[in-house]
Amino acid sequence: DGGITQSPKYLFRKEGQNVTLSCEQNLNHDAMYWYRQDPGQGLRLIYYSQIVNDFQKGDIAEGYSVSREKKESFPLTVTSAQKNPTAFYLCASSQGRQSYNEQFFGPGTRLTVL
Amino acid sequence: AQSVTQLDSQVPVFEEAPVELRCNYSSSVSVYLFWYVQYPNQGLQLLLKYLSGSTLVESINGFEAEFNKSQTSFHLRKPSVHISDTAEYFCAVIPAGGTSYGKLTFGQGTILTVHP
Repeated sequence: DGGITQSPKYLFRKEGQNVTLSCEQNLNHDAMYWYRQDPGQGLRLIYYSQIVNDFQKGDIAEGYSVSREKKESFPLTVTSAQKNPTAFYLCASSQGRQSYNEQFFGPGTRLTVL
Repeated sequence: AQSVTQLDSQVPVFEEAPVELRCNYSSSVSVYLFWYVQYPNQGLQLLLKYLSGSTLVESINGFEAEFNKSQTSFHLRKPSVHISDTAEYFCAVIPAGGTSYGKLTFGQGTILTVHP
């Protein structure tokens, strides 16, 4: 089955630690995205990548980093510089660069900072 | 820049009643519009979208939305809801063309709760 997988589903981290969230897709999509979801705030774009080895900052990139070394993988690192990292993180992908392309979402990772 | 406002954070309804989830947007350029649904602890699924053509768009599970350019709205409706429609619904927009590839702007979400 084609789709997007995110791991782990739940993640706990101590303050001051970096943590990496995994996102893999086997849809052969060019574009991939990371969103952060907080209650009552909808989804906010952290980073996006239109092609391998290229990525762009979204609206709330501070304290986060990404890489896109392979087409199917787009890991997100939450660094210790992110002041309020506890949230639900969603990865998405779309077939092309055109804005009408549907974005397909993974099941999400819930990060809790202790 | 675009912005999206979902006018109701929570909408409780009884089963088989009609429902409307309201969405207004602001943009200086033409946009495409989307409704996504999120079931608890899951990712988002596309419900329906408006790109061009007929302003009334429908989903396979009975939802419909109407694009109103003059009122900059894209309200979601269903004439008779089921318990299984209980979820959070997100309205989103994206500029039609240009360099904003894939940069969806989401509303805050509306939690629809269907009671028996």
